[in-house]
Amino acid sequence: RKEVEQDPGPFNVPEGATVAFNCTYSNSASQSFFWYRQDCRKEPKLLMSVYSSGNEDGRFTAQLNRASQYISLLIRDSKLSDSATYLCVVNVGTSGTYKYIFGTGTRLKVLA
Amino acid sequence: NAGVMQNPRHLVRRRGQEARLRCSPMKGHSHVYWYRQLPEEGLKFMVYLQKENIIDESGMPKERFSAEFPKEGPSILRIQQVVRGDSAAYFCASSPGISNQPQHFGDGTRLSIL
Repeated sequence: RKEVEQDPGPFNVPEGATVAFNCTYSNSASQSFFWYRQDCRKEPKLLMSVYSSGNEDGRFTAQLNRASQYISLLIRDSKLSDSATYLCVVNVGTSGTYKYIFGTGTRLKVLA
Repeated sequence: NAGVMQNPRHLVRRRGQEARLRCSPMKGHSHVYWYRQLPEEGLKFMVYLQKENIIDESGMPKERFSAEFPKEGPSILRIQQVVRGDSAAYFCASSPGISNQPQHFGDGTRLSIL
């Protein structure tokens, strides 16, 4: 089983739609969680951290469920510019050394 | 620019040559990570370094690849005797070494092998 698993998609949605991605992780000692966005041939960029209580940033909402070991990302009112690959990232480590485990990404295409 | 700096942005080498990729972490970051991404594939972890120490090199190929992060200067990913299969985007990321802080990525180096 992969340490971090995501549905690769693609998710093809019309503009204005709401879309949700899930990500599961296997290490119960995982400490922090992030969503990144990667555009074609570009570097991954931090979209948002995921907090235990859930958090929202504009049209984006992230949730964490430690008991079931999954995190989610909800995008409301999708824009064409949201088309990208969304990467789930889990941070694991102790004593000042931390490794970031990446999922393979979920591809989103927002259609006009 | 206080972000992660990678250079060169593009590097072309002939088979058998050496490639050196450089990464300067964000100010205040002492942890550096190297990743490789082949076309149409996901990020693959290569190596994790702190100053003068390799923390985890489980993703590094056993031969031809090496990495360092000296006390002074940038981190270097070195590929000796390059082959066509080394053509990829190589990304560097840095973090401050605190568990709830994310990594930040450089623009990457696109390596092409002729």
